[in-house]
Amino acid sequence: GAGVSQSPSNKVTEKGKDVELRCDPISGHTALYWYRQSLGQGLEFLIYFQGNSAPDKSGLPSDRFSAERTGGSVSTLTIQRTQQEDSAVYLCASSATQGVAFFGQGTRLTVV
Amino acid sequence: GQNIDQPTEMTATEGAIVQINCTYQTSGFNGLFWYQQHAGEAPTFLSYNVLDGLEEKGRFSSFLSRSKGYSYLLLKELQMKDSASYLCAVRDSQAGTALIFGKGTTLSVSS
Repeated sequence: GAGVSQSPSNKVTEKGKDVELRCDPISGHTALYWYRQSLGQGLEFLIYFQGNSAPDKSGLPSDRFSAERTGGSVSTLTIQRTQQEDSAVYLCASSATQGVAFFGQGTRLTVV
Repeated sequence: GQNIDQPTEMTATEGAIVQINCTYQTSGFNGLFWYQQHAGEAPTFLSYNVLDGLEEKGRFSSFLSRSKGYSYLLLKELQMKDSASYLCAVRDSQAGTALIFGKGTTLSVSS
């Protein structure tokens, strides 16, 4: 596609429920990144996929968080048993290998 | 480990010049990026430095010194629309080339 697409744009969920956030990267981009941004804060690195290499999961805050990237394209970030502190904007970006990262518009997650 | 530092907030007036500094400590280095983020929007790419020196792009310039672990973003002829957060990010070659961000500098431009 023309840009990075994320869905849904907004998600309200009850505490304890699981949520899935989707990211469609720019076609041909081999690298895909997930970040979390809490209100007024910087971008917190979560996970990074590069081609067929094993993902860098070093930023995932707990084992409730997981992500996969199918066919080297679409990625899904899953948060299990959501907590109120998970409320944030989840941003996805993609890039060519070591190129400029372009961001999607994000998914605003609210856990009530 | 990785550490990227920027000032939290800066203020300036229309027409002025402002310099936003960024210092970094990473295990490896493979490029430094500056992004602009308006409130409620996604970050957008501004500039990229991988070699020492100044990169100029219109009203925006970015400088890098790898030996000092230091970069700055220079904004000239400030406009109200430049009020935004400016994010410094480093590609750490020892971290699988993931892109690590500083906490950002919120710039407020007044008339």
